[in-house]
Amino acid sequence: DVKVTQSSRYLVKRTGEKVFLECVQDMDHENMFWYRQDPGLGLRLIYFSYDVKMKEKGDIPEGYSVSREKKERFSLILESASTNQTSMYLCASRELTGIHYEQYFGPGTRLTVT
Amino acid sequence: ELKVEQNPLFLSMQEGKNYTIYCNYSTTSDRLYWYRQDPGKSLESLFVLLSNGAVKQEGRLMASLDTKARLSTLHITAAVHDLSATYFCAVDMGHRDDKIIFGKGTRLHILP
Repeated sequence: DVKVTQSSRYLVKRTGEKVFLECVQDMDHENMFWYRQDPGLGLRLIYFSYDVKMKEKGDIPEGYSVSREKKERFSLILESASTNQTSMYLCASRELTGIHYEQYFGPGTRLTVT
Repeated sequence: ELKVEQNPLFLSMQEGKNYTIYCNYSTTSDRLYWYRQDPGKSLESLFVLLSNGAVKQEGRLMASLDTKARLSTLHITAAVHDLSATYFCAVDMGHRDDKIIFGKGTRLHILP
């Protein structure tokens, strides 16, 4: 079974703090993704990575950065957390199986910034 | 730019009824995904539809794809309470390394 794990299920941070969200997958997938999920807005892509040390901006990268030093780990960094970054953060990895992708999601981290 | 629109965004229905969720997308694609998300949980893959006319069924859920109309439907037959969840459709452009774009989700609430 593919497993995508995230370092925390719930996190509470203060405004201005630097926040690290970690994601680890155990299936040697090249592609990994960070989304945020907000009510009524669905999933919005923050950043993604095609491979180690590669990163691409998604639709809402402002206020975030990422790091992919090892294939299995993709970290999302909030340089200076703000209240509008309170959200559910979902990590995913994916593989190309035949002619379509299989995308696997982690359990999510619910971040509250106070 | 690929856009994916679902409707309705919220649906409350009685057990035993049938209903359909619609997913429209804006550019040519023949790879469409449906996911389910239970409250407080992550997304789980339901169906992958890969060609025009593709139909997949599991239990009371049936998904279909019309690539010419750029439309996928998720049909619920004789709904039961256990199907209460949020359903997302998602589309990718079919090129290697492309993003998968998600709709906003349809929150389905089935009343016992």
